[in-house]
Amino acid sequence: KAGVTQTPRYLIKTRGQQVTLSCSPISGHRSVSWYQQTPGQGLQFLFEYFSETQRNKGNFPGRFSGRQFSNSRSEMNVSTLELGDSALYLCASSKDTTETQYFGPGTRLLVL
Amino acid sequence: DQQVKQNSPSLSVQEGRISILNCDYTNSMFDYFLWYKKYPAEGPTFLISISSIKDKNEDGRFTVFLNKSAKHLSLHIVPSQPGDSAVYFCAASGRGGSTLGRLYFGRGTQLTVWP
Repeated sequence: KAGVTQTPRYLIKTRGQQVTLSCSPISGHRSVSWYQQTPGQGLQFLFEYFSETQRNKGNFPGRFSGRQFSNSRSEMNVSTLELGDSALYLCASSKDTTETQYFGPGTRLLVL
Repeated sequence: DQQVKQNSPSLSVQEGRISILNCDYTNSMFDYFLWYKKYPAEGPTFLISISSIKDKNEDGRFTVFLNKSAKHLSLHIVPSQPGDSAVYFCAASGRGGSTLGRLYFGRGTQLTVWP
């Protein structure tokens, strides 16, 4: 069974731009969560989607948004990029909201 | 507010010996605990988990122990191998409120297993 896939793997943007990251969950998984990893803050939860509904959201500004499609694929968007948004963005999927989360390889975003 | 803490940023162990990684948590709503292994610039790989209704779970060389009264869990790796060298993250989740569908992570412990 294929794992969680994320595209693109690497991305360079400039301040003020926006970016969209994509995540395809493991087949049969309906819950998708997003995390940000930085050296200073560690692994921080962004949001979680289940059946196209956002069920939980972390403490990030409104510039960070996401959505989930009917096939469980998910996207996250960051608008008006700031230097501090440079991070590894990780997507995880699980069968249900309370099940074990399996992570993708991540998207490395660099904001210049 | 760090609700999951790994107080040892690093651990060095000789090959063949036991590695013990520790984790403490503060939120009583947590009822599911996981350990992940991570290499730089890669996503975390799930290792083992434990539900709050158990106090021990084994999977091959990996055993996780949970002490609910102390809000403490540990991961034992026996025997340790050089390939185990990585950063290990402890994570916790719950079933309600702000804990639903969300993993709270510790800051990680860098394990180095030397020959």
